[in-house]
Amino acid sequence: GQNIDQPTEMTATEGAIVQINCTYQTSGFNGLFWYQQHAGEAPTFLSYNVLDGLEEKGRFSSFLSRSKGYSYLLLKELQMKDSASYLCAVRIPGGFKTIFGAGTRLFVKA
Amino acid sequence: EAGVVQSPRYKIIEKKQPVAFWCNPISGHNTLYWYLQNLGQGPELLIRYENEEAVDDSQLPKDRFSAERLKGVDSTLKIQPAELGDSAVYLCASSLTSGSGGEQFFGPGTRLTVL
Repeated sequence: GQNIDQPTEMTATEGAIVQINCTYQTSGFNGLFWYQQHAGEAPTFLSYNVLDGLEEKGRFSSFLSRSKGYSYLLLKELQMKDSASYLCAVRIPGGFKTIFGAGTRLFVKA
Repeated sequence: EAGVVQSPRYKIIEKKQPVAFWCNPISGHNTLYWYLQNLGQGPELLIRYENEEAVDDSQLPKDRFSAERLKGVDSTLKIQPAELGDSAVYLCASSLTSGSGGEQFFGPGTRLTVL
């Protein structure tokens, strides 16, 4: 079966740094995505990792270790608008199906 | 550029009634997805189209759900008859390709409530 694990909720303070972890056990791997989803809205793309290492994009960075089945999303200089759910998703080969985790709800407090 | 368009945004029906959702993907996107998302969960794939062909419908409950993508552009997802457990958000997404790195663009979703 396919399994993606993320913490259910996290709380952080405005201006701080937060790391959201994701571990996966899937039948193959063809890339890992992070999406942001505000309550009642559609998921929006944040990052894509297919090779090991860190991808940086502004205040957001995403890291991947394929050997460990592990990724994290790093959010710097947190803003109130970053309060949202963050979805980790793994693309598996043989049809390029994307499996989504349940998401991590991040609360940013003043 | 217009994003993925879905309608209606909200739908309330009684159980055993039929319901249909419509999706217009981003122009030029060959791949179209229908997902179901329950509260506090991630999206779950129902069906994926490559142009007009359904290439992955293994998770679609075919006894009551059906979908079509005529002419490889717009798509319709239908439930007949609806059950209480079908209450969820139905998301449509599209991508330029289903291959590696094929970022998906999601529509706002249709929130279905079955009473």
